[in-house]
Amino acid sequence: AQSVTQLGSHVSVSEGALVLLRCNYSSSVPPYLFWYVQYPNQGLQLLLKYTSAATLVKGINGFEAEFKKSETSFHLTKPSAHMSDAAEYFCAVSDRRNNNDMRFGAGTRLTVKP
Amino acid sequence: SQTIHQWPATLVQPVGSPLSLECTVEGTSNPNLYWYRQAAGRGLQLLFYSVGIGQISSEVPQNLSASRPQDRQFILSSKKLLLSDSGFYLCAWSVAHGYTFGSGTRLTVV
Repeated sequence: AQSVTQLGSHVSVSEGALVLLRCNYSSSVPPYLFWYVQYPNQGLQLLLKYTSAATLVKGINGFEAEFKKSETSFHLTKPSAHMSDAAEYFCAVSDRRNNNDMRFGAGTRLTVKP
Repeated sequence: SQTIHQWPATLVQPVGSPLSLECTVEGTSNPNLYWYRQAAGRGLQLLFYSVGIGQISSEVPQNLSASRPQDRQFILSSKKLLLSDSGFYLCAWSVAHGYTFGSGTRLTVV
C-alpha cells in the first residue's frame, strides 16, 4: 500500500522568503507523485506532478518539486513566497498501475506574513 | 474542454434529513469518478469511486451511499444525515496521471 507523510501541518514564512513544504512517500512500486493546492472553500488544484520523466518538476505559480528516490521524498519549494500563496497544500501518491488508488497526505497549511 | 461541476456549493441540513449531492463531468466519456470528504483540519478521505455506470466501490463503511446512473453523473446520498457527516465533499475524476477536482460542497448538519 502507498502512503504519503507531510511533515508539518502548519508552515509560516515571510513574504519573499523560501517556501519548503515536505513530503515523504512510501510505495512498493515506482510511484506517481503530485502536489495540489486548496484555497478556502474551493476544490483542489493541481500544482505539479511527477510521472517518471525529469526528477525536477516545475509547476504553476513558480512552484517546483524534486523527486528523490534515495530519500523517498518529493518536497515542494518556491524561491520567494507571495501573499497569494497562502493556502493548504496536499501531497499525493498513486500507483502507476492503478489510477484509482491515489492517497493524500494530511495537508500543510501555509501562512505568508507581510 | 473537460470540466467538472459539483453542486450545491453549500448546504445546511438537519440531522435525520436526506442528502443528495450531484457531480457531473463534461468533455470526456467513461471517466473514473470519486467522492472524497474533507473534515475540518483533516486530509482527504476517499469515500467512493466508480469506473463505470452502476459500478461503485466503497472505501469506508458509513452512513453514505453513491450511485452512477449515467456515464458522466455521480451522486452521493444519505437517507438520514448524522452530525458526523458534516464536512467538505469533493468530487473528482481521473485523467492521465492525476485527478481533477470539483469546487466542493460544504455540508453542515445541524
